[in-house]
Amino acid sequence: NAGVTQTPKFQVLKTGQSMTLQCAQDMNHEYMSWYRQDPGMGLRLIHYSVGAGITDQGEVPNGYNVSRSTTEDFPLRLLSAAPSQTSVYFCASSYMAGGSEQYFGPGTRLTVT
Amino acid sequence: AQSVTQLGSHVSVSEGALVLLRCNYSSSVPPYLFWYVQYPNQGLQLLLKYTSAATLVKGINGFEAEFKKSETSFHLTKPSAHMSDAAEYFCAVTRPGLGGSEKLVFGKGTKLTVNP
Repeated sequence: NAGVTQTPKFQVLKTGQSMTLQCAQDMNHEYMSWYRQDPGMGLRLIHYSVGAGITDQGEVPNGYNVSRSTTEDFPLRLLSAAPSQTSVYFCASSYMAGGSEQYFGPGTRLTVT
Repeated sequence: AQSVTQLGSHVSVSEGALVLLRCNYSSSVPPYLFWYVQYPNQGLQLLLKYTSAATLVKGINGFEAEFKKSETSFHLTKPSAHMSDAAEYFCAVTRPGLGGSEKLVFGKGTKLTVNP
């Protein structure tokens, strides 16, 4: 099993550009989520999904869109990149929410200039 | 709403010394609690979790944590630090529930340095 994979590993965008961060898991997990990690802030939940076709907002959803058309994939779209979105983004999945372990991808380091 | 407070953004210990990383939580219902570790330039890895079974939880790499309801704490300990323990550690909380409405809430992290 590859676990949770994320692409790209690094990305530099100019302000106003859009892009999609890819996330895929091969563990047949229903629950997937996106977090951003900023120094001194821990991880903050952006969006999450409890199954194909179902998504919801987390703590910091503004400026991001998600969709979940399959169990395996959960892409994160930046609509119009801003310098405040410079961060490290982690995708995670788990069998179910709550007490299950969340498995994290290796992260995408995004810089917006 | 749930929250987690990690006391000390940086902790430094000598190799072989006790490691104690502090975590206090706030939750209106009995929580599930987790400790994750992040090595440089990597994703997060689960160390251990508490899900209302035994209050003393043992994890990987010799770490353990004790759930203390009266103190709303879930401190992480290891009797003897190793150089390879140098990393950032995150405490996280969520609540049991139905329908997948739970969300994992993370603390801000504690960076552990181990000195030779």
